[in-house]
Amino acid sequence: GDSVTQMEGPVTLSEEAFLTINCTYTATGYPSLFWYVQYPGEGLQLLLKATKADDKGSNKGFEATYRKETTSFHLEKGSVQVSDSAVYFCALSVNNAGNMLTFGGGTRLMVKP
Amino acid sequence: NAGVTQTPKFQVLKTGQSMTLQCAQDMNHEYMSWYRQDPGMGLRLIHYSVGAGITDQGEVPNGYNVSRSTTEDFPLRLLSAAPSQTSVYFCASWRIPTDEQYFGPGTRLTVT
Repeated sequence: GDSVTQMEGPVTLSEEAFLTINCTYTATGYPSLFWYVQYPGEGLQLLLKATKADDKGSNKGFEATYRKETTSFHLEKGSVQVSDSAVYFCALSVNNAGNMLTFGGGTRLMVKP
Repeated sequence: NAGVTQTPKFQVLKTGQSMTLQCAQDMNHEYMSWYRQDPGMGLRLIHYSVGAGITDQGEVPNGYNVSRSTTEDFPLRLLSAAPSQTSVYFCASWRIPTDEQYFGPGTRLTVT
């Protein structure tokens, strides 16, 4: 079956540090890949997505590139802010399965001033 | 446009009690789903629906029932609550072929 593995947290960084959260996947079909973010006390929001190999998704300074050869979709940001403190979820969906999402376990990011 | 709404926000149940978690969306999305979120396990799919009158099981359906009588509403029923159902529950909706799922704010359920 489909699965997503992402690095365990928490990840604690100082403001303006570089962020990488690793994500790898296995899928039976050709998946679309997503990063969702969950701020404290809220539901999940789509952060970025990529639908085919070598696509780069980007939003709010975050980026992730769909790497089919390494089955990875690592999240990066050059300079994190305190307001980026949240839980980040990597996820995939396969079109022939109604676009149901399969999630990784989530990575909590804490950014200190 | 409220998006996806969920009620209640918090709930405490005793083992064996029943309750219904409500979910509604006003975006006319065909697809809706329920997830539970447990520490370190991400979100796991409980049940989903591809349209009014059509539901199917996800990864962890045991102990939960759903129905979809209208496009807008997708309630989740716990018939006999168990401590293992202590979790945060999220409802989501989306439209095919759009990939993005829209999530509600969640219901935090504790079963004692």
